[in-house]
Amino acid sequence: ETGVTQTPRHLVMGMTNKKSLKCEQHLGHNAMYWYKQSAKKPLELMFVYNFKEQTENNSVPSRFSPECPNSSHLFLHLHTLQPEDSALYLCASSQDKGTQPQHFGDGTRLSIL
Amino acid sequence: GQQVMQIPQYQHVQEGEDFTTYCNSSTTLSNIQWYKQRPGGHPVFLIQLVKSGEVKKQKRLTFQFGEAKKNSSLHITATQTTDVGTYFCAGGTKAAGNKLTFGGGTRVLVKP
Repeated sequence: ETGVTQTPRHLVMGMTNKKSLKCEQHLGHNAMYWYKQSAKKPLELMFVYNFKEQTENNSVPSRFSPECPNSSHLFLHLHTLQPEDSALYLCASSQDKGTQPQHFGDGTRLSIL
Repeated sequence: GQQVMQIPQYQHVQEGEDFTTYCNSSTTLSNIQWYKQRPGGHPVFLIQLVKSGEVKKQKRLTFQFGEAKKNSSLHITATQTTDVGTYFCAGGTKAAGNKLTFGGGTRVLVKP
């Protein structure tokens, strides 16, 4: 069960490629998030959007570019990535940006060659 | 910045035994949430605690929020193989707009 759908599930790309990750939520939530999950680090918050407006950029390198065209969709545009960017990228949503529980998608497993 | 630490990092448990995992924050929290991530899966929300000293139970899982709202614990009784996974705590503070900071997780392995 997941009301948050992420595509693709797996992505292999070279360092010079440009690709995009997509997230869609069917829960009627107003806040959406991008997280990075690496093998040896805690879940790292990357970006937060609330009512389509970016409210948090957690010092993320500019090679990651988020886009939120509406409250149901969130994209993460990737370009000129580094090998250390290989990780599981998780999208989540919550009713609002406050204390509400977050619902996660299955993630995109990204490998940079 | 706010830090959330979890111990232990790994927990090997014999099936049927009890164990506890702990979560400690460097700052006072407005709320704490617990999530479970099965191997190959995504984090799934388990519970939220907001009151000082609050205790909540879900079947064999008991969650507690410390009196000072800076620590929390998850106690599992009679561990089953279905309990395998990584348990994350995540704390929010009013000063940070209740943005959640996740701990490193406790990875639970169950020996049958």
